[in-house]
Amino acid sequence: AQSVAQPEDQVNVAEGNPLTVKCTYSVSGNPYLFWYVQYPNRGLQFLLKYITGDNLVKGSYGFEAEFNKSQTSFHLKKPSALVSDSALYFCAVRDPYNNAGNMLTFGGGTRLMVKP
Amino acid sequence: ETGVTQTPRHLVMGMTNKKSLKCEQHLGHNAMYWYKQSAKKPLELMFVYNFKEQTENNSVPSRFSPECPNSSHLFLHLHTLQPEDSALYLCASSQEGQGTTGELFFGEGSRLTVL
Repeated sequence: AQSVAQPEDQVNVAEGNPLTVKCTYSVSGNPYLFWYVQYPNRGLQFLLKYITGDNLVKGSYGFEAEFNKSQTSFHLKKPSALVSDSALYFCAVRDPYNNAGNMLTFGGGTRLMVKP
Repeated sequence: ETGVTQTPRHLVMGMTNKKSLKCEQHLGHNAMYWYKQSAKKPLELMFVYNFKEQTENNSVPSRFSPECPNSSHLFLHLHTLQPEDSALYLCASSQEGQGTTGELFFGEGSRLTVL
């Protein structure tokens, strides 16, 4: 079975500082990994994904994430946080070799608060 | 604009009412999903449709009834709901099959309040 853990319910960071939102996963094979962002009263927006290749993937709004196979992690990062980055962030994993269905498993979400 | 449109955005209903949520995707995808998002709870996958066939039903109560008439439209029919069913209902779509990566594209959600 596949699973995702986001160990922090909330991350606080000052504007202009680097931010990291943590994600670890468990899957039987090589994972497909995703990050989504949700602003208040909105749906989830796709930020970036890792499928294969370079471990550092770049996405929307200046975000990037690093795939670390040995630590089974896919942390979301941004060099300089903006107040407008304040939102709920979801990590998700998919086992591409799972024939039981097209299942994306989501983490519980991490609320990012960026203070001016 | 994500290419997935949900209506209505807000819905208030009594426990004896019958209403429906609608989702339409303009992305040419072949799979559609309903998720429930409640406060302080993880996202809950409710139903999955692949090529209009239901492939997943995560033990959802029968007062929720999905309908997928074609690959672009998905409905969630609601009947005799309970106050604990109040939540944000999210529709999503994806392209499934060989060579695809399966990321989901979400609508803006329908905020449901059951009185």
